[in-house]
Amino acid sequence: RKEVEQDPGPFNVPEGATVAFNCTYSNSASQSFFWYRQDCRKEPKLLMSVYSSGNEDGRFTAQLNRASQYISLLIRDSKLSDSATYLCVVNTDKLIFGTGTRLQVFP
Amino acid sequence: NAGVTQTPKFQVLKTGQSMTLQCAQDMNHNSMYWYRQDPGMGLRLIYYSASEGTTDKGEVPNGYNVSRLNKREFSLRLESAAPSQTSVYFCASSVAGGGPGNQPQHFGDGTRLSIL
Repeated sequence: RKEVEQDPGPFNVPEGATVAFNCTYSNSASQSFFWYRQDCRKEPKLLMSVYSSGNEDGRFTAQLNRASQYISLLIRDSKLSDSATYLCVVNTDKLIFGTGTRLQVFP
Repeated sequence: NAGVTQTPKFQVLKTGQSMTLQCAQDMNHNSMYWYRQDPGMGLRLIYYSASEGTTDKGEVPNGYNVSRLNKREFSLRLESAAPSQTSVYFCASSVAGGGPGNQPQHFGDGTRLSIL
């Protein structure tokens, strides 16, 4: 079993839609969690950290479920510019990157 | 505000050749990292440097060496390139020392390396 698993997608959604991604992790001792965004042929960029109580940054909401060992990312009111690959990242004693979920927002 | 700068951006090598990938950060970060990214796989840590003067192996260190030249610079060397090392290489840094855990990382824009 992979340490971090994501649905590769692609998720094809129209502008304005709400879309959610889940990510599961295998190590219950994982300490911190992040979502990164990666555009095609670009470097990963930190989107947001994920806190135990859940957190929101504008149209983006991240949640953590330690009991079920998954984190989620919700994007509301999708924009064309949200099209990218979203990487789930889990920390144990090092950062473990998921392979990413590709999102394509169409007009 | 350059952040993390990698050179070169692209490189083609022949099997057995050697080369060094350069990375520099201007954010006064303590920790620096080298990753590779291959299709269908997540970013994998090759080596990291938790602080100036220290280096440690990551998940896939074989075939690579690193040098933390000073606080700003962290280079990755391929001594004898192999086709299996064809990949996109990313350098990253993070503000706190102590290594890869528990903190976000800032990435350079990558080096695309092809080995024939």
